[in-house]
Amino acid sequence: DQQVKQNSPSLSVQEGRISILNCDYTNSMFDYFLWYKKYPAEGPTFLISISSIKDKNEDGRFTVFLNKSAKHLSLHIVPSQPGDSAVYFCAATFSDGNNRLAFGKGNQVVVIP
Amino acid sequence: EAQVTQNPRYLITVTGKKLTVTCSQNMNHEYMSWYRQDPGLGLRQIYYSMNVEVTDKGDVPEGYKVSRKEKRNFPLILESPSPNQTSLYFCASRRLAAYEQYFGPGTRLTVT
Repeated sequence: DQQVKQNSPSLSVQEGRISILNCDYTNSMFDYFLWYKKYPAEGPTFLISISSIKDKNEDGRFTVFLNKSAKHLSLHIVPSQPGDSAVYFCAATFSDGNNRLAFGKGNQVVVIP
Repeated sequence: EAQVTQNPRYLITVTGKKLTVTCSQNMNHEYMSWYRQDPGLGLRQIYYSMNVEVTDKGDVPEGYKVSRKEKRNFPLILESPSPNQTSLYFCASRRLAAYEQYFGPGTRLTVT
């Protein structure tokens, strides 16, 4: 059963505009969330994360918002750049000493110059 | 340069022919893991290891074996590959207390 869900598998956005990626989770025990970015023929690379004690984390053009009551998080990229064209994976974990990650299926983002 | 390396990057093999995909990291990470990525299914964990000689099953361990004899290496072994193991495989590592994992570049395996 998919514990981390990413709907709307692909997104096209004009350069300079905002990209918004959404992620929903079902396990209320999750207390840490991450976004990974993946280019073709490369492994995923860590982008940004957020702890469940926060509702927002910002790193340059990337902001992640967490709504615990809705079990929903989103990634905002502002402004979008052509180099942001990639697949984005949402991941979640809980602090049980193992910290195993549950991944979503990924969202393809295409930024049009 | 801190990195996770995998070999080979591409492999085409036949059903039943044993193969090993190697994984090595140079960051002295305790935790290492193998994932497979399939269309529409995202990343699913196969096996993981929390330290030398400590391994455990992930979500999809059937048909795979691993070993962790050294901290830096975590090979994935397919004793008798089958076509349903055709996939893109990623090795990853992290510090035990951390959440962020560092991924290798991937190994694309085709089993005919």
